[in-house]
Amino acid sequence: NAGVTQTPKFQVLKTGQSMTLQCAQDMNHEYMSWYRQDPGMGLRLIHYSVGAGITDQGEVPNGYNVSRSTTEDFPLRLLSAAPSQTSVYFCASSRDRGQETQYFGPGTRLLVL
Amino acid sequence: AQSVTQPDIHITVSEGASLELRCNYSYGATPYLFWYVQSPGQGLQLLLKYFSGDTLVQGIKGFEAEFKRSQSSFNLRKPSVHWSDAAEYFCAVTRGNKLVFGAGTILRVKS
Repeated sequence: NAGVTQTPKFQVLKTGQSMTLQCAQDMNHEYMSWYRQDPGMGLRLIHYSVGAGITDQGEVPNGYNVSRSTTEDFPLRLLSAAPSQTSVYFCASSRDRGQETQYFGPGTRLLVL
Repeated sequence: AQSVTQPDIHITVSEGASLELRCNYSYGATPYLFWYVQSPGQGLQLLLKYFSGDTLVQGIKGFEAEFKRSQSSFNLRKPSVHWSDAAEYFCAVTRGNKLVFGAGTILRVKS
């Protein structure tokens, strides 16, 4: 199993550009989530999904969209990038809901100029 | 609102010394509690978790943690630190479907 994979590893954007961060898992996990990590703030939940077709907002959802058309994939879309979205983004999955052990991807480092 | 507090931003210990990383949470009921570790440039890996039962839980890499309901704490311990333990450690608590993380503690190990 590859586990949780994320692409790209690193991305530079200009303010106002849009892009999609990809996340895929091959463990047949129902629960998937996106976090952003900023120094001194730990990881903050952006959006999560409890199954295909179901998504919900986390702590910091503004400026981001998600969809879950399949169990395997959970892309994160930045609609109009802002410098405040410069961060490291982690995707995670777990068997069921947030109470289970979450498996994290390697992260995507995003720089918005 | 539920929160997770890790009071120590940085901790430095000598190799072979014991370690305790503190974590306090605020929540109305007994939550599910986790400790994750992040090595530089890597994703997070689960060290251990507490759901119910015995309040002293054992994890990987020789770590253990003790849940103390009266103190709303879930401190992480290791009796003898190795240089490879240098990393950032995160305490996390579930709130419904969501996992809430503390700000993290960076562990430095000196030889």
